[in-house]
Amino acid sequence: QKEVEQDPGPLSVPEGAIVSLNCTYSNSAFQYFMWYRQYSRKGPELLMYTYSSGNKEDGRFTAQVDKSSKYISLFIRDSQPSDSATYLCAMSSNTNAGKSTFGDGTTLTVKP
Amino acid sequence: DAGVTQSPTHLIKTRGQQVTLRCSPKSGHDTVSWYQQALGQGPQFIFQYYEEEERQRGNFPDRFSGHQFPNYSSELNVNALLLGDSALYLCASSWGPGANTEAFFGQGTRLTVV
Repeated sequence: QKEVEQDPGPLSVPEGAIVSLNCTYSNSAFQYFMWYRQYSRKGPELLMYTYSSGNKEDGRFTAQVDKSSKYISLFIRDSQPSDSATYLCAMSSNTNAGKSTFGDGTTLTVKP
Repeated sequence: DAGVTQSPTHLIKTRGQQVTLRCSPKSGHDTVSWYQQALGQGPQFIFQYYEEEERQRGNFPDRFSGHQFPNYSSELNVNALLLGDSALYLCASSWGPGANTEAFFGQGTRLTVV
């Protein structure tokens, strides 16, 4: 079983919809949680970076971390066609500093 | 301010050959991590370099090796290439080797082994 499991999708929504992307993990040492957006054949782009449990908001994006449930989410409000991409969750711990463990990504398509 | 740059962007090699990929970190960053991303999968950690030394290593064979130079740039070397080494190779840079630093990725080098 993988340390990080991500809802595989693919996900298709109409423009303006609220999107929820989710990951679960098994390693309780993970303390840092990231969301990356990756366009086709490009490198991942860091969207959100959070530490421990709680919420973090940045524009249309909200990241939630629930360490008790080992569950993280990324919400996208008022989704746009330009949000169409693969979204990757990633996690790291102080005990294995510098090594991020990624999910396999969820591909999102926002239709105009 | 240049971000993370990788070269070359694409590469085709034959089984058994050796390859060297290059990465220049974002300005102000001193730590470089390398990842392998197979099609349809998330990036897999190969290793991390800080202060010209390998600090962390993922579950990759010794055919994968690296180097970091005094200017913080880095190389990834892969010997005795296998078909399964075909992937997007990503370099990420950060300030310091700790987990509490944000990492930024380059555009990757797409390696095809034939």
